[in-house]
Amino acid sequence: GDSVTQTEGLVTLTEGLPVMLNCTYQTAYSTFLFWYVQHLNEAPKLLLKSSTDNKRTEHQGFHATLHKSSSSFHLQKSSAQLSDSALYYCALRGSNYQLIWGSGTKLIIKP
Amino acid sequence: EAGVTQSPRYAVLQEGQAVSFWCDPISGHDTLYWYQQPRDQGPQLLVYFRDEAVIDNSQLPSDRFSAVRPKGTNSTLKIQSAKQGDTATYLCASSPDSNSGNTLYFGEGSRLIVV
Repeated sequence: GDSVTQTEGLVTLTEGLPVMLNCTYQTAYSTFLFWYVQHLNEAPKLLLKSSTDNKRTEHQGFHATLHKSSSSFHLQKSSAQLSDSALYYCALRGSNYQLIWGSGTKLIIKP
Repeated sequence: EAGVTQSPRYAVLQEGQAVSFWCDPISGHDTLYWYQQPRDQGPQLLVYFRDEAVIDNSQLPSDRFSAVRPKGTNSTLKIQSAKQGDTATYLCASSPDSNSGNTLYFGEGSRLIVV
């Protein structure tokens, strides 16, 4: 069945360092991947989405490239900011059009 | 454009009490979702509607949870006889088209504590 795997539950970085959050997926359906960000006590908000293989998509300094060959959609940013501290969820549109959510990665950026 | 509106924002109940959460989606969005998000966990789908029809409620604990969207606009999620395990934030989300790229727009959530 459809599934999303986020291997890191917690990532702690120093401000200014690059960010990379991993996301891999499994699906037999057409591929549509999403990254949602959830700041403390707020609702999740869409950060990025893509269905195009090998095309980089960018928003708010973050970028991700869908690689169907490796079933990956890793989230990256060149330089972390304190305000990037949040929960990040990778999600997949499943065969019944529902979102299949990963377990989430908590990103903490320290000064 | 107004976002997804939920109320109440907070509720504290004793076990056995009932509560209803209300959601007003973004105008024109035909698909509405209810998620349960326990503390430190990701959102877990409870039920979703396309217009007034329930598309999937397989994850809704049917003995105590119910959800309706009678006119295909606002929706109500009701929990009867609440249990401590129901403590979570209940998120409502809407989407313009469930057959599209499924961008969900979330409300701020209703935080439930059952003591």
